[in-house]
Amino acid sequence: QSGLTQPRSVSGSPGQSVTISCTGTTSDVDTDTFVSWYQSHPGKAPKLIIYAVYNRPSGVPDRFSGSKSGNTASLTISDLQADDEAEYYCCSYAGTDVVFGGGTKLSVL
Amino acid sequence: QMQLQESGPGLVKASETLSLTCAVSGGSFSTSTYYWAWIRQTPGKGLEWIGSVFYSGSTYYNPSLKSRVTISVDTSNNMFSLKLTSVTATDTAIYYCARHSYGVAANYFDYWGQGTLVTVSS
Repeated sequence: QSGLTQPRSVSGSPGQSVTISCTGTTSDVDTDTFVSWYQSHPGKAPKLIIYAVYNRPSGVPDRFSGSKSGNTASLTISDLQADDEAEYYCCSYAGTDVVFGGGTKLSVL
Repeated sequence: QMQLQESGPGLVKASETLSLTCAVSGGSFSTSTYYWAWIRQTPGKGLEWIGSVFYSGSTYYNPSLKSRVTISVDTSNNMFSLKLTSVTATDTAIYYCARHSYGVAANYFDYWGQGTLVTVSS
């Protein structure tokens, strides 16, 4: 099963922007519609924040945006807020199998 | 509003079978648009997809768990279940059920249960 690689941690100050990358083999992230992103706070279920690379579900602030270039998908969070401190996971396909990245811990300093 | 709720034992002995059920309410269960999935989360490995099932019973499993996993549906009660055999300490995790948009044009989990912690004891 292929893997999706994310940085272990990123950090930023309130009001700043951060970008989290998600890199895989071409077959994992080469299709526009398959990448999704999740926010995970301790003690809570993960929350879908981006699907199909660029799209936000209803209720997710437009401070969260997704993009893709080649085999790397990215999540950008602008105007960082304290509540954004969480673990973030990307997700895609490898054939018929669903794969998650290893997760990125975002610290808001 | 769609809701999912996991239930099952929180403690399972090593080598035995982990069994969980997910009850779905507030929306259509027998839908051709979505699958129903099990996902687990551990501090060390993060999120791991276990498998997904269609209302017809068609399944897809994580290759690394496939030999030990069975996911089934009970459409009459809007429920689906997970069985994981021969568990070890590495199967200790928070187990989530979720609705899965899975197909040629999508891959995302949009509704999640609250999660249930399952501990494997020796």
